[in-house]
Amino acid sequence: EAGVAQSPRYKIIEKRQSVAFWCNPISGHATLYWYQQILGQGPKLLIQFQNNGVVDDSQLPKDRFSAERLKGVDSTLKIQPAKLEDSAVYLCASSFGSGYYEQYFGPGTRLTVT
Amino acid sequence: TQLLEQSPQFLSIQEGENLTVYCNSSSVFSSLQWYRQEPGEGPVLLVTVVTGGEVKKLKRLTFQFGDARKDSSLHITAAQPGDTGLYLCAGGDNYGQNFVFGPGTRLSVLP
Repeated sequence: EAGVAQSPRYKIIEKRQSVAFWCNPISGHATLYWYQQILGQGPKLLIQFQNNGVVDDSQLPKDRFSAERLKGVDSTLKIQPAKLEDSAVYLCASSFGSGYYEQYFGPGTRLTVT
Repeated sequence: TQLLEQSPQFLSIQEGENLTVYCNSSSVFSSLQWYRQEPGEGPVLLVTVVTGGEVKKLKRLTFQFGDARKDSSLHITAAQPGDTGLYLCAGGDNYGQNFVFGPGTRLSVLP
């Protein structure tokens, strides 16, 4: 079974530029999560999708971050414009359902904003 | 917003020693999960506990969910260098939303 795929693995941009991350979840997983993990901290949930609908985006900085999950499969997370404090690893995870279902994580995208 | 705290933040021990790490909250969780994360990778699920007072064993790892479902612990017996990593507890509300991770315990097991 293929795991969660993410790209790119690494990205370096200057502040005020825009960037996009892509995630392909495990086939059949209805729930998709995007997390931000700052060095030395635990992952912080940015947005949770159930199929192609948003169920939790309470911690997404909506003035600069956006995410979509077209057709309930692949997802993209965009940052525009980026700030220095956005430097982090962005993790995508998918699960069969929400709540106590196991989340399967991709390898993450390491973003550095200079 | 539910919050999870973990202690200790860092732990460095010798191979063969036992250890316990803790996950605490002031909120009640319907379930808690423990994940382990290695550098450059995403977290990997170790266990899910759903019943207050539940104890689960996974080889040398023992997980316990508090009776009030506000806390959990992970005990490792005879730690090995392969146990080195970041141990994260996580949980969501009864609706499967507001999923949060604790800050993690970074464990280093020296040979």
